[in-house]
Amino acid sequence: QVQLQESGPGLVKPSETLSLTCTVSGGSISGYYWSWIRQPPGTGLEWIGYIYYSGSTTYNPSLKSRVTISVDTSKNQFSLKLSSVTAADTAVYYCARLSPEWSMGYWGQGTLVTVSS
Amino acid sequence: DIQMTQSPSSLSASVGDRVTITCRASQSISSYLNWYQQKPGKAPNLLIYAASSLQSGVPSRFSGSASGTDFTLTISSLQPEDFATYYCQQSYRTPYSFGQGTKLEIE
Repeated sequence: QVQLQESGPGLVKPSETLSLTCTVSGGSISGYYWSWIRQPPGTGLEWIGYIYYSGSTTYNPSLKSRVTISVDTSKNQFSLKLSSVTAADTAVYYCARLSPEWSMGYWGQGTLVTVSS
Repeated sequence: DIQMTQSPSSLSASVGDRVTITCRASQSISSYLNWYQQKPGKAPNLLIYAASSLQSGVPSRFSGSASGTDFTLTISSLQPEDFATYYCQQSYRTPYSFGQGTKLEIE
């Protein structure tokens, strides 16, 4: 059974770059699309973007200028970088696998990132 | 961008009730509609994908249907563990988008 686990700092200062990694276990990162989603406290879900194992990416235009998603197949990991963060970027960040079909069938447990000085 | 509108935003029901949650897309999304259940402090859990396909391991009391741009999640007989927030999500075109959620509470 594939499992995903987010890791990274829980506190980031305003204007700095948020960096998170998702480690995939129980299966290969190859052959699939992998996504990042976030959820500000008490609100709904926002799709950030996805990456194919080969490295091709698609981002949400609302975040595109600040987002980079990358993949490291040798480590079975993919990563998120979000630059120039503000308090509005405070959220629980989830990683997920896009399957079956184009749904998000496998999720990490999520990690809360707070943007504060 | 495709907007997803869920109704109702909250719903009170009792164990054993039949419950229906609706999601409307702002344009055609074919059958690229997914339903998730989220409990407090937990990640969303996929229930239904491609409008009507039941995800492996999900109880058969959950079902999904579609009519044009309107999609429905039905729980045939509510169980205590079903009280949660439900989200629809379109995967027809990026940026993928979610409905605002329906909070299902105990009556």
